[in-house]
Amino acid sequence: DSQMTQSPSSLSASVGDRVTITCQASQDISNYLNWYQQKPGKAPKLLIYDASDLETGVPSRFSGSGSGADFTFTISSLQPEDIATYYCQQYDNLPFTFGGGTKVEIK
Amino acid sequence: EVQLVESGGGLVQPGGSLRLSCAASGFTFSNYGMSWVRQAPGKGLEWVSAISGSGGTTYYADSVKGRFTISRDNSKNTLSLHLNSLRAEDTAIYYCAKCLREGSWSAFDFWGQGTLVTVSS
Repeated sequence: DSQMTQSPSSLSASVGDRVTITCQASQDISNYLNWYQQKPGKAPKLLIYDASDLETGVPSRFSGSGSGADFTFTISSLQPEDIATYYCQQYDNLPFTFGGGTKVEIK
Repeated sequence: EVQLVESGGGLVQPGGSLRLSCAASGFTFSNYGMSWVRQAPGKGLEWVSAISGSGGTTYYADSVKGRFTISRDNSKNTLSLHLNSLRAEDTAIYYCAKCLREGSWSAFDFWGQGTLVTVSS
């Protein structure tokens, strides 16, 4: 199984700040890594797939990078509507595992 | 427009059973793998089970293997999850999710609204 270690578990930033979240896999997962946003009481929403591809309709301030075992998710300029929990998820091998999540708050 | 609508959740006693359904529309259902993902109250996301587009291949998390069964009826565009021998730790919102790509595992691009399963005496 590929364990996904996401950090930090929470962060507080100001509107307009650049926000970075990391996700480390316990083994090489190539670029089979996705990022989701989940707002309270809502289903997760796909933002980035295959490590760096932006899902249709997702604002360009969201981006992803990395390959192998180390990945980064970035919000270039934090907006109030970005308050949510973000999850990475690998699909290189079964079981499909999620990171523990990063809760993003406004300072 | 893609829509996934779950149903079937509720309160069940430990050791009991439940059947969850997910009605799909807006896409060629049989062409896409589907999964169930759950979220315990206040916790993160946990992948539970997946099924190929044809229904011929199924996978399960170790935590539910032997107790849960995933299936699909492509003639009715419906995904199901049968939950048996339920435990308190199975209490969660259960989401059905569609794979992004036809014919291969990939990201989950559409999710249902979720259905709550509560296991308690």
